[in-house]
Amino acid sequence: AQSVTQLGSHVSVSEGALVLLRCNYSSSVPPYLFWYVQYPNQGLQLLLKYTSAATLVKGINGFEAEFKKSETSFHLTKPSAHMRDAAEYFCAVSGGGNEKLTFGTGTRLTIIP
Amino acid sequence: DAGITQSPRHKVTETGTPVTLRCHQTENHRYMYWYRQDPGHGLRLIHYSYGVKDTDKGEVSDGYSVSRSKTEDFLLTLESATSSQTSVYFCAIRGTGLTGVGYTFGSGTRLTVV
Repeated sequence: AQSVTQLGSHVSVSEGALVLLRCNYSSSVPPYLFWYVQYPNQGLQLLLKYTSAATLVKGINGFEAEFKKSETSFHLTKPSAHMRDAAEYFCAVSGGGNEKLTFGTGTRLTIIP
Repeated sequence: DAGITQSPRHKVTETGTPVTLRCHQTENHRYMYWYRQDPGHGLRLIHYSYGVKDTDKGEVSDGYSVSRSKTEDFLLTLESATSSQTSVYFCAIRGTGLTGVGYTFGSGTRLTVV
């Protein structure tokens, strides 16, 4: 079985500060890992994904994530937060013949002016 | 964007009535999924399909059924709607392209059961 844990259901950072959203996964096979963003009253937009190529993945809007197998982590970072980054972020895992995509419970990011 | 549309976008229905939500894709992808999104739970898988007439249950399938008679359409039915099924429902498709595996989501259906 696969699962995802997102530490911190709410994270607040000041504008211009580092954004760090944590994601740990559990999977018995090499995983595919995804980060999605959801703005208020909208659908899910893919930020970035890891599918067994480079372990440091760059996505849209200046976000990146690093796959660390030894730590079973896929944390999302952005060097400098913008007000427009305020949204909910979801980490998800699939892979190894399991075609289902399993989500974490989400982290709501608030940006303080 | 990948061609995936959900209908209706919003629906209010009464307890005990049947409701069907539709997901339509133009990408000819094999895998399709239905999720529900609730505060504090993220997105949870209801049912998924791996081909025409081939479907399987997800983690929250009780009270829901699905059908897929054509590659492009995946229907989710609430046989007798309950207030606990008030939620936002998302359909997704799974594709494999130049950048590897990817999942694309529809815009969602906001369902309110009163």
